Amino acid sequence: EDQVTQSPEALRLQEGESSSLNCSYTVSGLRGLFWYRQDPGKGPEFLFTLYSAGEEKEKERLKATLTKKESFLHITAPKPEDSATYLCAVQQGAGGGNKLTFGTGTQLKVEL
Amino acid sequence: EAGVAQSPRYKIIEKRQSVAFWCNPISGHATLYWYQQILGQGPKLLIQFQNNGVVDDSQLPKDRFSAERLKGVDSTLKIQPAKLEDSAVYLCASSLESSGWRGYEQFFGPGTRLTVL
Repeated sequence: EDQVTQSPEALRLQEGESSSLNCSYTVSGLRGLFWYRQDPGKGPEFLFTLYSAGEEKEKERLKATLTKKESFLHITAPKPEDSATYLCAVQQGAGGGNKLTFGTGTQLKVEL
Repeated sequence: EAGVAQSPRYKIIEKRQSVAFWCNPISGHATLYWYQQILGQGPKLLIQFQNNGVVDDSQLPKDRFSAERLKGVDSTLKIQPAKLEDSAVYLCASSLESSGWRGYEQFFGPGTRLTVL
């Protein structure tokens, strides 16, 4: 069974203090690893898709990387508006359809 | 481009009552999903449609939950009768049709927050 573990559960940063969020996964045949951002009272907002080990993607202050067992979401010089819950999800290969298996998320709070 | 639309945004019902949620996916997206998100957890897939057909409903509690997607566009999810543990946010998502090796990103609606008293 696919498993996704995110750490830490919660993270408090000062504005400008860079850090990383971790997503460890166990899946039979990774088809894609997805990062989403979720604000309170809203649906998840798509950030990145990573398909193979070694792949990296960037968007503003966020950079996502992927290895064979885990993914990291690096946040460089965060701002208060980066405060949200960040969700990681894996999509299984053949036979798994398009089903996403999500982790429980990392709740990020960036303070002035 | 319009996103995924859902209604209602909030619903409060008594246990054993019935409730229905509606979803309109992004235009051109053949695949539609319903997820359940309990507070503090990640979304969990309930059912996946590709056009009119069901692809995966292995985690749908079929004794009380039902879903349909008529004409391959809009979808409704129904709970009858509701239980206390059904209190959650119900998210609808859509994506391009699944094919080949690539997993297409799913785009989510705002969700319906259900409270069962």
